[in-house]
Amino acid sequence: AQSVAQPEDQVNVAEGNPLTVKCTYSVSGNPYLFWYVQYPNRGLQFLLKYITGDNLVKGSYGFEAEFNKSQTSFHLKKPSALVSDSALYVCAVRDDAGGFKTIFGAGTRLFVKA
Amino acid sequence: DAGVIQSPRHEVTEMGQEVTLRCKPISGHNSLFWYRQTMMRGLELLIYFNNNVPIDDSGMPEDRFSAKMPNASFSTLKIQPSEPRDSAVYFCASSPDRVVVYFGPGTRLTVT
Repeated sequence: AQSVAQPEDQVNVAEGNPLTVKCTYSVSGNPYLFWYVQYPNRGLQFLLKYITGDNLVKGSYGFEAEFNKSQTSFHLKKPSALVSDSALYVCAVRDDAGGFKTIFGAGTRLFVKA
Repeated sequence: DAGVIQSPRHEVTEMGQEVTLRCKPISGHNSLFWYRQTMMRGLELLIYFNNNVPIDDSGMPEDRFSAKMPNASFSTLKIQPSEPRDSAVYFCASSPDRVVVYFGPGTRLTVT
């Protein structure tokens, strides 16, 4: 069965510093991996995805994520954090072995302090 | 495009009442999903439609929950009777390819 884990409930970072939000996954086939962001009172917004190809994926708002097959990880990164990046970040995985079901992580709340 | 549209945005009701949540997916998207988000359990898939047909409703908590999609541009999620433990944010989402999912703004349901 597929699963996704976000080990940190919260990440605090100072504005201008690099940020990393961690995600690990488990699937039986090849993974489709996603990052979404959720601002207060809003639905999740798609940031980026990995399906195949280059392990480093670039997405919206300067975010990128690195797929690491050996560590079954898909960490989200940004070189320089902005206060406006403060939000809930949710990692998701889908197994390409069949089916449609995307499993979402519990989310990591990012706080960027000015 | 306006994105996924949900109504109402907020619903407060008393235990035992019927609640109907509404959704208009993005035009051209042939997959529609209903999710529920709570602090305890995060985001849970309740039901998935493809081309207006329910494909998997294994996430629907119990018989009190039902969902319909009478046409490509409208879906409802009904709870009858509602209970306090149903309090959550309910998201409708649609997808053109069952890969990237586009979420609506959600309906915050409070059952007292």
